[in-house]
Amino acid sequence: DGGITQSPKYLFRKEGQNVTLSCEQNLNHDAMYWYRQDPGQGLRLIYYSQIVNDFQKGDIAEGYSVSREKKESFPLTVTSAQKNPTAFYLCASSARQGAADTQYFGPGTRLTVL
Amino acid sequence: GNSVTQMEGPVTLSEEAFLTINCTYTATGYPSLFWYVQYPGEGLQLLLKATKADDKGSNKGFEATYRKETTSFHLEKGSVQVSDSAVYFCALLGGNEKLTFGTGTRLTIIP
Repeated sequence: DGGITQSPKYLFRKEGQNVTLSCEQNLNHDAMYWYRQDPGQGLRLIYYSQIVNDFQKGDIAEGYSVSREKKESFPLTVTSAQKNPTAFYLCASSARQGAADTQYFGPGTRLTVL
Repeated sequence: GNSVTQMEGPVTLSEEAFLTINCTYTATGYPSLFWYVQYPGEGLQLLLKATKADDKGSNKGFEATYRKETTSFHLEKGSVQVSDSAVYFCALLGGNEKLTFGTGTRLTIIP
């Protein structure tokens, strides 16, 4: 079955540590996205990538970094510079960015900073 | 900039009741509009969408009509079930090529 996988489902981190969240898709989509969800709020865009080896900052990129070395993979690193990293992180993909294509979401990773 | 305003929750209804969740938007140009649903502990699933004025999106008994004159995309269902309990997000995809979400409406259906 085609889809988006995220791992791990739950992640715990100590303050001051970097942590990387995995996102993989086998939909052959060009565009991939990372969102952050906080309780009672909508989703906010962290980073997005339209094509391999290219990515752009979203609305809340500070304290995060990404890479896009392969079409199917778009890992997100939450660095120690992110002041409030505890949140639910969602990865999404679409066939093409900028063509009004529907975004499809993974199951999410819940990150908790201890 | 683009924005989406959703009906404040939580919403609690009895099984078989009629559901409306209001959604209005502000955007330049002609955005596409979406409803996503999130079940507890899961990611978002696309429920329905509409890409131009007067289009009606529908899925699983849910419907929403793209009303440009009122800048609205209200979600409706004629008879809700306990399994419809979830958080519903209205969203728009605008000319800036980014998806803008509302804050979500938590729906609980009681038997």
